[in-house]
Amino acid sequence: AQSVAQPEDQVNVAEGNPLTVKCTYSVSGNPYLFWYVQYPNRGLQFLLKYITGDNLVKGSYGFEAEFNKSQTSFHLKKPSALVSDSALYFCAVVGFQKLVFGTGTRLLVSP
Amino acid sequence: DTEVTQTPKHLVMGMTNKKSLKCEQHMGHRAMYWYKQKAKKPPELMFVYSYEKLSINESVPSRFSPECPNSSLLNLHLHALQPEDSALYLCASSQENRVSYGYTFGSGTRLTVV
Repeated sequence: AQSVAQPEDQVNVAEGNPLTVKCTYSVSGNPYLFWYVQYPNRGLQFLLKYITGDNLVKGSYGFEAEFNKSQTSFHLKKPSALVSDSALYFCAVVGFQKLVFGTGTRLLVSP
Repeated sequence: DTEVTQTPKHLVMGMTNKKSLKCEQHMGHRAMYWYKQKAKKPPELMFVYSYEKLSINESVPSRFSPECPNSSLLNLHLHALQPEDSALYLCASSQENRVSYGYTFGSGTRLTVV
C-alpha cells in the first residue's frame, strides 16, 4: 500500500534560516506526492505536488520540494523561514482513489 | 470560484441531537470527500463521492450519513454521536476523481459532542 512517513514531529528554526521538513515515501509504481499546510483551526492548503518531470518542484509561499527517487524522499524546503510559516505540514501520496497523509510535522519558526 | 465552503464553522451538539454539516463547491469538481481530523493528527478519510454516487465508505459508523444531492453539494448528517466523535470535519473536492490533481479543502467544521 502507498504510504508516506514524516520522521519529525516538530522542526524548530530561527527566522531567516533555511528550513527542511522531511518526508519519505513507499509506493508501488510512480509516486504522486503532495505537500499541504494547515494553520490552527483551518483546512489544509495545497503547497505543491510532484507528478513527473523536474525533481525540484516550486510551490506556493516560496516553498519548494526535492524529489529523490534513490532515497525515496520528498523533502519540503524554504531558503529563508518566516514566523508566519509556523504551522502543521502534511506530506501525502496518492493511493487508491484517495490521498494518504503522513502524520504531520509541526514547524515552529522563532523570531 | 476556487473554494470549498463548509458550514457551520463550529457546532456543539448533544448525543441525542440530529444535525447536518454542509459542503459546497462551484469548481465543477465531480469528486467530493469527507475527512475527520482529530487534534494534531492527519486527516482520516470517511467517504468519497464520485459523480454524486458513493464510491468509498471507510467503514464509518452509521451514525454518520453522507448525502450528495447534486454535483456541487455534499452533506454529512449526524445522529446519536458520541463524545469521541468530536473533531474537525473537512470536506474536499477534486477534478473527476483524479486524485493526482490534488484536493481543494474547505476550512472545516469544528464539531463538539457533549
